[in-house]
Parts: sequence; structure tokens; C-alpha cells
Amino acid sequence: GQNIDQPTEMTATEGAIVQINCTYQTSGFNGLFWYQQHAGEAPTFLSYNVLDGLEETGRFSSFLSRSDSYGYLLLQELQMKDSASYLCAVRDRADYKLSFGAGTTVTVRA
Amino acid sequence: GAGVSQSPRYKVAKRGQDVALRCDPISGHVSLFWYQQALGQGPEFLTYFQNEAQLDKSGLPSDRFFAERPEGSVSTLKIQRTQQEDSAVYLCASSLNLDAINQPQHFGDGTRLSIL
Repeated sequence: GQNIDQPTEMTATEGAIVQINCTYQTSGFNGLFWYQQHAGEAPTFLSYNVLDGLEETGRFSSFLSRSDSYGYLLLQELQMKDSASYLCAVRDRADYKLSFGAGTTVTVRA
Repeated sequence: GAGVSQSPRYKVAKRGQDVALRCDPISGHVSLFWYQQALGQGPEFLTYFQNEAQLDKSGLPSDRFFAERPEGSVSTLKIQRTQQEDSAVYLCASSLNLDAINQPQHFGDGTRLSIL
């Protein structure tokens, strides 16, 4: 099975930077995924890492260290619309299903 | 539309009733997944299909839950004799190809099921 840990809540001001950490314990690993979910809406794919290192996509970057079973999502130049839940998910090697953490609620304040 | 479509968006049923939730994946997507999301939690895997074949149903909570995808496109999740603990958001996701390592899953808005 999978055990995914991420912080419950984070608060930051507009224009600031937030780093959401994610640690995992898995029986198989085939990628770390990040999704954004606004209340009542679908999770939206943000980024993924299969190999170690940093992936940058605009204001969002994601990092993975497989040896540490650790990754993070970095949100830069925060905007009010970035207030949402951010879900860390691990893809299983065997069958490609996603195992999700409970999500980190990010609140951006003016 | 271009995205994953789920219906109904909201469903209220009395305990003991049967419900059916529908998912229209993105056109051409081979893989289809169902997840259950409780309030304040991340989605929990229920089952997945590759085309019409159900390859994994290990996440289905009980034999009251049944999913099908008879023609390899639209899928239906059926819950029989609903219980209050079945109340949750049911999310459907699709991806282009199960074997393609770079294929993320794309989610629908979900069906919010409330059992009274």
C-alpha cells in the first residue's frame, strides 16, 4: 500500500512563495503527481516527477528525491486564485493507480 | 466537451436505494478510473478500466459497489442498497493510455452523493 503525508494547511501573502512538502512510503513507485483542487471542483493536474530533480512549469515547480521518498511543490508569486487544496499523489508501479495524500489547503491573503 | 463529464452533479437518495453514476471520459482515452473522496480527504481509488476490461477493482468498499464500461467509453458506477457511509464525492478520471508513463489522469467535477 501507500502512505502519503503532506501538511494540512499553509497560509501566505500575495506575491510570496510557498513550498508544500510530501513524503511517501510505497510498495512500488512510478511517479509523484501534484493536483490543484478548488472547493467543489475537479482536481486539476499541475505537475509530475518520475526522475529526481526539479520540474518547472511557469510559477509552479515540483521536485523529487526518490532516495528520500520526498518531493515538494513550489508555488511562486502567489495570487489570490491560488487559494485551493493541493494534492500530492503517488502512482503505483504495478497498475498505475494514484494514491493521494489528504491535501494541503493553501490560503493566500492580500 | 473536451473534459471528463460526470452526471448527475448532485444525487440525494434514501438509505437502501440503488444509485447509478455516469462518467463520459475524454474522447480516445483508453484508461478510466473511479475514486471516492470524503470531505477534507484526498481521493481514494475504487477501480479502473482499460478499454472495456476492468483490471483492478480492489478499492471497491463492498459487493454493493459495481462498475462497468461495456463499450470501452462511458462508464457507470452503481451502488446498491446505499448506506449513509456511502455519502461522498465520486470522481472519475481518464488518461490516454495506461502504459504511457507521461500520461496524467484528468478528472471530472464529480458526483456529490448524499444518503439520507
